[in-house]
Amino acid sequence: EAGVAQSPRYKIIEKRQSVAFWCNPISGHATLYWYQQILGQGPKLLIQFQNNGVVDDSQLPKDRFSAERLKGVDSTLKIQPAKLEDSAVYLCASSFWSSEYETQYFGPGTRLLVL
Amino acid sequence: KQEVTQIPAALSVPEGENLVLNCSFTDSAIYNLQWFRQDPGKGLTSLLLIQSSQREQTSGRLNASLDKSSGRSTLYIAASQPGDSATYLCAVSNTGNQFYFGTGTSLTVIP
Repeated sequence: EAGVAQSPRYKIIEKRQSVAFWCNPISGHATLYWYQQILGQGPKLLIQFQNNGVVDDSQLPKDRFSAERLKGVDSTLKIQPAKLEDSAVYLCASSFWSSEYETQYFGPGTRLLVL
Repeated sequence: KQEVTQIPAALSVPEGENLVLNCSFTDSAIYNLQWFRQDPGKGLTSLLLIQSSQREQTSGRLNASLDKSSGRSTLYIAASQPGDSATYLCAVSNTGNQFYFGTGTSLTVIP
C-alpha cells in the first residue's frame, strides 16, 4: 500500500513570508496528524483530525498557523507569517482510527528553513 | 502535562553487541507506548507498540518492555548490526490519543 505523501520535501523562505505544506494520508485512514520536529527534539503534535473534524489543536500557534482537512482526506498546514523559530521538519502521520491499538504511519516530512 | 525522557542521548557500540535504550514518562495514565525509528531525512517508522495492559512486545531482534507503575520502558536490541544505526524515539499516548515524544537516542553501530 502507498505510504503517507508530503510535499514539498524542502522549503526555504524569508521571515514574514507565508508557506503551505500538503499531506495525503494512507487511503482509508480516518485520523491525520501534523507534527513539528525542531532539530534535536522529538516531534510535537500540532493538530489532530478525525475525518474532517479537529480533535486536538491545543499546541497549534493559532495566530500564525492554520490547518484544514477538506473532505476528510488531504490536508494542508499553513504558516502566515513565518518566524525564524518555525524552522523545523513538519511531519504528517495517519492512522486507521484513533485508539490504543493503532500505530501511526509517518510521511517523509517537509524540511522548512526560515531565513 | 506528560513529559518523556530518553537516556542516553547518544550511544555508540561495536557490531554484535546487545544494547538497551531507556525511556521514562511522568504520567502513568497512558493508552499505549510506541518505539519508533527515524533515519536521517526520513519520517518515523513504528517498531513496536505496547498497549497499556501489556508488559512487553517482541519483533525479531527487538524487545520492548513497559512498567506503567514506574513510568519506564526499555528497548532491547540483540546482536546489533550497522543497519540498526538510527535515532530511536519513544512516544506515549494519553487519553485522547495525544502523543508525546522523547528527544530520542542516536545509535551508531560500528562495523
